[in-house]
Amino acid sequence: DGGITQSPKYLFRKEGQNVTLSCEQNLNHDAMYWYRQDPGQGLRLIYYSQIVNDFQKGDIAEGYSVSREKKESFPLTVTSAQKNPTAFYLCASAGQGYTGELFFGEGSRLTVL
Amino acid sequence: GENVEQHPSTLSVQEGDSAVIKCTYSDSASNYFPWYKQELGKGPQLIIDIRSNVGEKKDQRIAVTLNKTAKHFSLHITETQPEDSAVYFCAASRSGGSYIPTFGRGTSLIVHP
Repeated sequence: DGGITQSPKYLFRKEGQNVTLSCEQNLNHDAMYWYRQDPGQGLRLIYYSQIVNDFQKGDIAEGYSVSREKKESFPLTVTSAQKNPTAFYLCASAGQGYTGELFFGEGSRLTVL
Repeated sequence: GENVEQHPSTLSVQEGDSAVIKCTYSDSASNYFPWYKQELGKGPQLIIDIRSNVGEKKDQRIAVTLNKTAKHFSLHITETQPEDSAVYFCAASRSGGSYIPTFGRGTSLIVHP
């Protein structure tokens, strides 16, 4: 089945460590997005990419990094510079000839110990 | 940029009642307004959307209305059921350009049996 796969679903990290969240899609979508979700904060955009080898900062990019070497993959690295990384992270994609709909993965919950 | 306000943040209803969630937007150029449902521990899924050339759209028990003049749109759920309990997000975007939707902060709907 076509869709977006995020892994791991749960991740624990010690302070000072970098962690990478995986996002893979087989929908042949050009655009991919990373959102952070905190209680009562809605969905806040971290980074987005509309084409391979190009990406743009969103509203809360500080302390995060991404790459887009393949159309199918858009990994997010949460660096030690992110002051409050404990959150639920959502990856999404959208197709060319954008209808407006975003397709979301199941999310990754990161907890910093 | 676009700003989307969503109310209420929490909505509690009895099974069988109707539920209404309201959103306002600021950018008059926005022309696509989706609603997403997020069940606990999962990613949001599109449940209904409306474009600016339409005033109302229905899909079984859910409907969305749009008032372009007032820049607000609403989600209506009739005959609510316990499985409707979830967090609902509205969003606004425009076709063309960078296609980045702006999300509301979400409404937690609780349907009591």
